[in-house]
Amino acid sequence: GNSVTQMEGPVTLSEEAFLTINCTYTATGYPSLFWYVQYPGEGLQLLLKATKADDKGSNKGFEATYRKETTSFHLEKGSVQVSDSAVYFCALSDVQGAQKLVFGQGTRLTINP
Amino acid sequence: EADIYQTPRYLVIGTGKKITLECSQTMGHDKMYWYQQDPGMELHLIHYSYGVNSTEKGDLSSESTVSRIRTEHFPLTLESARPSHTSQYLCASSEWADINQPQHFGDGTRLSIL
Repeated sequence: GNSVTQMEGPVTLSEEAFLTINCTYTATGYPSLFWYVQYPGEGLQLLLKATKADDKGSNKGFEATYRKETTSFHLEKGSVQVSDSAVYFCALSDVQGAQKLVFGQGTRLTINP
Repeated sequence: EADIYQTPRYLVIGTGKKITLECSQTMGHDKMYWYQQDPGMELHLIHYSYGVNSTEKGDLSSESTVSRIRTEHFPLTLESARPSHTSQYLCASSEWADINQPQHFGDGTRLSIL
């Protein structure tokens, strides 16, 4: 079945550091890929998405490229801020059946000033 | 901006009580979902709906039930709450027509059963 594997956390960085959170997936067909972010006490918000191979999603300085050859969708940001502290979820859309989202286990990110 | 609302935000209640968690969306989305999020952050799909009068069990078995009488409303009910039901519950919705559209989430209900 479809699955998503994320880099284990927690991840702690200093402000202005470079961020990478790894995400790899297993899927049949051609799913869409998403990164969601969950700030403390809130629900999930869509951060960015990519719908086909080689697409790059970007938002708020974050980027991720849909790599079909390596089945990856790694999240990157060149210079993180304290306000980026949150939990990040990689997900894919199950294009068959109920069109559900399959989530990774989440990566907690803490940015220190 | 997504318009999906969950009430209550927090609920602490005793064992054996009947509980209904409310979820409403104003976007006219056909598809709605309930997730249970454990303290380790992982999300588990427990129920979903394609539209009015449609309800399906998710990937994680749950003692809760759901109903979908109106498009905008997707309540979740626990007939007799137990401490094992303590968790955060997240509701989400999405458009039916485009599978590439994201799910929009509410802020969740944090449920504690004593």
